[in-house]
Amino acid sequence: DTAVSQTPKYLVTQMGNDKSIKCEQNLGHDTMYWYKQDSKKFLKIMFSYNNKELIINETVPNRFSPKSPDKAHLNLHINSLELGDSAVYFCASSPTQPSGNTIYFGEGSWLTVV
Amino acid sequence: GENVEQHPSTLSVQEGDSAVIKCTYSDSASNYFPWYKQELGKRPQLIIDIRSNVGEKKDQRIAVTLNKTAKHFSLHITETQPEDSAVYFCAASSPGTYKYIFGTGTRLKVLA
Repeated sequence: DTAVSQTPKYLVTQMGNDKSIKCEQNLGHDTMYWYKQDSKKFLKIMFSYNNKELIINETVPNRFSPKSPDKAHLNLHINSLELGDSAVYFCASSPTQPSGNTIYFGEGSWLTVV
Repeated sequence: GENVEQHPSTLSVQEGDSAVIKCTYSDSASNYFPWYKQELGKRPQLIIDIRSNVGEKKDQRIAVTLNKTAKHFSLHITETQPEDSAVYFCAASSPGTYKYIFGTGTRLKVLA
């Protein structure tokens, strides 16, 4: 049983295209996240959602639009993809706010924009 | 804004030796400090954590120490093994903030 699952795992697409990454957690957690890991391995928060409500939008371009239909799902849609969007995108979840709580990561989605 | 600095960026040790990774955080309200291990092509996974009311925590070969006054915390791995080779991330989290701030990562290589 995968606790945090995201699809697709690999995505190669051309500049200017629109793509989505889906994420689901079966841990019963209230809080979900999107993190971006670039080629230098830096892990940076993009978005946090708590009970479907957006809590954090960490200065991410508005080409990135997260959507949480319910607290178990957090999807990421990216419009007009650029070369600089190439990265690994990790979905994650925690029981509630992360202070004192473990964040569990999905397996990552490797996005390559060509 | 909040920041977590992590050093060194790369670390090579001989099998059986100890490894130490250090982090410094900026937000004095931070109260939770997890450490994650990320193997090549895998997800980051929690290996140990410490809360601000504790100075030290140990789990077998892994230990973490926290100095709240200096805003420093460190990961100590003893008797390193080749399977300890990975990228290690420290992180800090503050109450009421829905995020971890991660350090920049340390690539640990354990040489057999």
